Amino acid sequence: EVQLVESGGGLVQPGGSLRLSCAASGFTFSRYWMSWVRQAPGKGPEWVANIKQDGSDKGYVDSVKGRFTIARDNAKNSLDLQMNSLRAEDTAVYYCTREGHGGFDMWGQGTMVIVSS
Amino acid sequence: EIVLTQSPGTLSLSPGERATLSCRASQSVRSYLAWYQQKPGQAPRLLIYGASSRATGIPDRFSGSGSGTDFTLTISGLEPEDFAVYYCQQYGNLKTFGQGTKVEVK
Repeated sequence: EVQLVESGGGLVQPGGSLRLSCAASGFTFSRYWMSWVRQAPGKGPEWVANIKQDGSDKGYVDSVKGRFTIARDNAKNSLDLQMNSLRAEDTAVYYCTREGHGGFDMWGQGTMVIVSS
Repeated sequence: EIVLTQSPGTLSLSPGERATLSCRASQSVRSYLAWYQQKPGQAPRLLIYGASSRATGIPDRFSGSGSGTDFTLTISGLEPEDFAVYYCQQYGNLKTFGQGTKVEVK
């Protein structure tokens, strides 16, 4: 079955850290750019970060630069997002997504991150 | 950052009617524009990419048009399952989403 499964979300205090993971299956993971997209409660989606097929190129939205790091392991078909110095405004559902010919053509079910004291 | 502005915010229509949703970019994104549908509690689903190409499995009642800064998503005859929130997204310069249009039952 073709799917993306996220894990690692939870409740964390402001200034804390969290590592999200995504397990990919059913397709050739190493052939695709991959992204993390988040969606705050009641808001539209926001692209967070992406990574090239071989990991040699990465991009981040300005609001997370220097705090979040995206990484992948093609041998394990996995995608990670290390989130440091978390803020209340980082509270959202985080989705692992695949970048297809255009847009995000595959989404996981999402993992909730709540930043609160 | 490229800002996408969607209109209207809410569209109230009856099943069978035609829905026309607009998305305007703050600068040209050429044809690097996608549309998504999202239902409550679900992840967004890709409908259209490249401004006018339907994604795999998307019914032909969904169509996209436009280029540059002005784009349209048309649903030719609303089915009960089409009532949802729709987002446009550009991938010509980094990636940004519009704020969404809710299509609700009149």
